[in-house]
Amino acid sequence: GAGVSQSPSNKVTEKGKDVELRCDPISGHTALYWYRQSLGQGLEFLIYFQGNSAPDKSGLPSDRFSAERTGGSVSTLTIQRTQQEDSAVYLCASSMSLDTEAFFGQGTRLTVV
Amino acid sequence: RKEVEQDPGPFNVPEGATVAFNCTYSNSASQSFFWYRQDCRKEPKLLMSVYSSGNEDGRFTAQLNRASQYISLLIRDSKLSDSATYLCVVNFAGFQKLVFGTGTRLLVSP
Repeated sequence: GAGVSQSPSNKVTEKGKDVELRCDPISGHTALYWYRQSLGQGLEFLIYFQGNSAPDKSGLPSDRFSAERTGGSVSTLTIQRTQQEDSAVYLCASSMSLDTEAFFGQGTRLTVV
Repeated sequence: RKEVEQDPGPFNVPEGATVAFNCTYSNSASQSFFWYRQDCRKEPKLLMSVYSSGNEDGRFTAQLNRASQYISLLIRDSKLSDSATYLCVVNFAGFQKLVFGTGTRLLVSP
């Protein structure tokens, strides 16, 4: 499709397990963002990739969180040893450049039980 | 000071009312500005870009005030369907990324 694609759309996992969330940006978009949003809250910035530059990881809440972007396209956000407070919607967005609007995927709803 | 600040609201207005939101930003080097709309349990979607000269799209008008470092969104003749959260977005040239505000919630009632 032409939009940002995220998978899975929903994920229920047990506390302590690792999870991987995937984002397929719009083709040709060099910038990719990960955010998370807890129920009723605003967007919390996690990490930003721009082309071949080193990613901006300043928003990652702990060392249990990591992300990579392979070949400048698909990105994977990994959460190790999940905790209940990790439950949220994880949103991915991509943009063609810094000056242009970002397009969001529909998000992955993560529930840690 | 937060990079991008918005009044979280909610703003409760009747149908037909005019409502305005402001958003302040901290980085004077910012060059691109946007308003996004987010419906409940949906992803944010672009509402409009904000240009230096100001711009209008139907009932929506966006303005930029560089001197005071804020952008505004004016909605005229509010509709029930305008009920949503409105997110202010600013590019931070020095940090090379788009920064989102936490949003202003609007509730339009009959």
